[in-house]
Formats: sequence, C-alpha cells, structure tokens
Amino acid sequence: QSALTQPPSASGSPGQSVTISCTGTSSDVGTYDYVSWYQQHPGKAPKLMIYEVNKRPSGVPDRFSGSKSGNTASLTVSGLQAEDEADYYCTSYAGSSYVFGSGTKVTVL
Amino acid sequence: QVQLVQSGSEVKDPGASVKVSCKASGYTFTSYAINWVRQAPGHGLEWVGWIATNTGNPTYAQAFTGRFVFSLDSSISTAFLQISSLKAEDTAIYYCVRDSAAWFWGQGTLVTVSS
Repeated sequence: QSALTQPPSASGSPGQSVTISCTGTSSDVGTYDYVSWYQQHPGKAPKLMIYEVNKRPSGVPDRFSGSKSGNTASLTVSGLQAEDEADYYCTSYAGSSYVFGSGTKVTVL
Repeated sequence: QVQLVQSGSEVKDPGASVKVSCKASGYTFTSYAINWVRQAPGHGLEWVGWIATNTGNPTYAQAFTGRFVFSLDSSISTAFLQISSLKAEDTAIYYCVRDSAAWFWGQGTLVTVSS
C-alpha cells in the first residue's frame, strides 16, 4: 500500500486560505468516505481535525473544512492564524487497512 | 471519558525485544479495534496495523510483518505491541489508536534502539 500523496509544503499569510490535497487511488480515497486529517505541532501528538471527509470533531474551529473529489481529498484552512502553522497528514481507509499521506508542512507567512 | 494510556519510554539494545502496552478506559474495550501507528524521528505517520479486540485477530501492514506482534489482555482492557530483533530504524514513537469514525489516540511511547 503506497502512501497517499500530499504536497510537501503550503503557505499563506494570516487571514488567507490554504488548501492541501491528498491524492490516493480507487482502492482507498476514491472508494471510501473514511478520510481523516490530522494537525501535528512539533513534539506533540497528532490532533484530529476532520474525519469522514468533512466532519469536524467538537472543538475544531469551522475554519477547517474537508472535501473529496474522485481519488483526491482536500483540507482547506480559511482565515489562517499563526497557530495553524504545523504539519498536516491525511489518512484513508483502504479496505481492511489504512494508509497515511506523506505530510504537508503549512507555514504562516 | 475515553482514555488510552500507554507505557513509558524504552531504551533497548539492537537485537533485543520491547513490549508496549496501551490501557483503555471509559468505553467497552471489545467494541473497537486498536490500531498502532509509528512515527520515526523527523518522519511522517505510518500505519503499523490493527487488532480486532473482539476476536484478537491481527492485521499487519506489509512493512511490519514478521517482527511486530499485536496481542490483548481483555481482562484488563489492554493492548500490546511487541517488537523483536530491534533495529536502529525501529526508533520511533508508537501510538495506539482506538478505531472508530473519529480515531482516539494514546499519548505515544518512545522506543529508542541504541547501543
């Protein structure tokens, strides 16, 4: 099972939006609506931001939104804030297994 | 409230074995599978595999077959990850994660393999 493809980096100024893509295959992202997104600050455990493509856990700001089209899922962070600077990982169910994305470092300029 | 509490950091010699525990509370242990996720220093997240807590049936990712073994002690709501014949490249944080629509993570256990 190959890792899902994410851009290594993304950036935006405070207040702007940034969108991170997560490209898989018809065996994972394209078939299952079990795509999640995690935020990870240095030295911290991953924090769930989006699950089941577009659902936000309690406590996650509505600036974070998820979507999916075909084999590609996306995470959009609107109204970027300094604290959004972190690594972001997607993951997808792949039929009796899971696969993670390669990770994207988001920089707030 | 749901909690997954993992055992503490370990430092092991190459060739040794290590067993990481993950104690669940706040829910019915056998209702959700447990995933294991690895993060090596400076690297991304990797899915190691999962174990069905109602049957004990394990599934391993391709890269983690052979030296990685999952087990359970349901009487104490605890899952275990044992790694044998440790190598330097096994140095990583290992997380246990409750498998549900919204994954719930343990705090992670750092395993350091160094002579």
